[in-house]
Amino acid sequence: ETGVTQSPTHLIKTRGQQVTLRCSSQSGHNTVSWYQQALGQGPQFIFQYYREEENGRGNFPPRFSGLQFPNYSSELNVNALELDDSALYLCASSGPQSRETQYFGPGTRLLVL
Amino acid sequence: DAKTTQPPSMDCAEGRAANLPCNHSTISGNEYVYWYRQIHSQGPQYIIHGLKNNETNEMASLIITEDRKSSTLILPHATLRDTAVYYCIVEYSGGGADGLTFGKGTHLIIQP
Repeated sequence: ETGVTQSPTHLIKTRGQQVTLRCSSQSGHNTVSWYQQALGQGPQFIFQYYREEENGRGNFPPRFSGLQFPNYSSELNVNALELDDSALYLCASSGPQSRETQYFGPGTRLLVL
Repeated sequence: DAKTTQPPSMDCAEGRAANLPCNHSTISGNEYVYWYRQIHSQGPQYIIHGLKNNETNEMASLIITEDRKSSTLILPHATLRDTAVYYCIVEYSGGGADGLTFGKGTHLIIQP
């Protein structure tokens, strides 16, 4: 167990809807990174939050956005859902220094119909 | 794109050592080699990482060649629970603001 938790574990949405996924980081960690993993592929980096600011982003459109709260928990928001957004969404926490080993949560499985 | 090359799949008998190779010929001097594994439908699990020296922990050993262009992850006594996809990742420590770059990994199957 890494101490990183995610909610919900599964959810189903329809195309065009919006979704919010949540992540609680491991105690003592101040950095949260989000990844998308499509079926049969490795995880792809979406963005990273460090001390409540986005400090890095992968090749994902602006409809993928996030927040980090003062307790370092984080949210991933996806607007205007598309069928291709169906995936396992993973968060990873690290810290307290930058560039430390990332520890992953169990993921949220999103299905877009 | 991932900076590593791994075989897509490997088999190993239960109780034997599993040796998973990884090529990273373009690694730079201050990039680390990280290994994660992912058991079906779970989040990736950190295993071990190293810069240039061999490393060992309670899960595995990491052997890095002297020129750092390849490495081997060793699971000394594989069990059925070690069946997973193993990812070799080359990154500046921890991945930083660019995140970790995962390739397709090696699907290790432990045979009873």
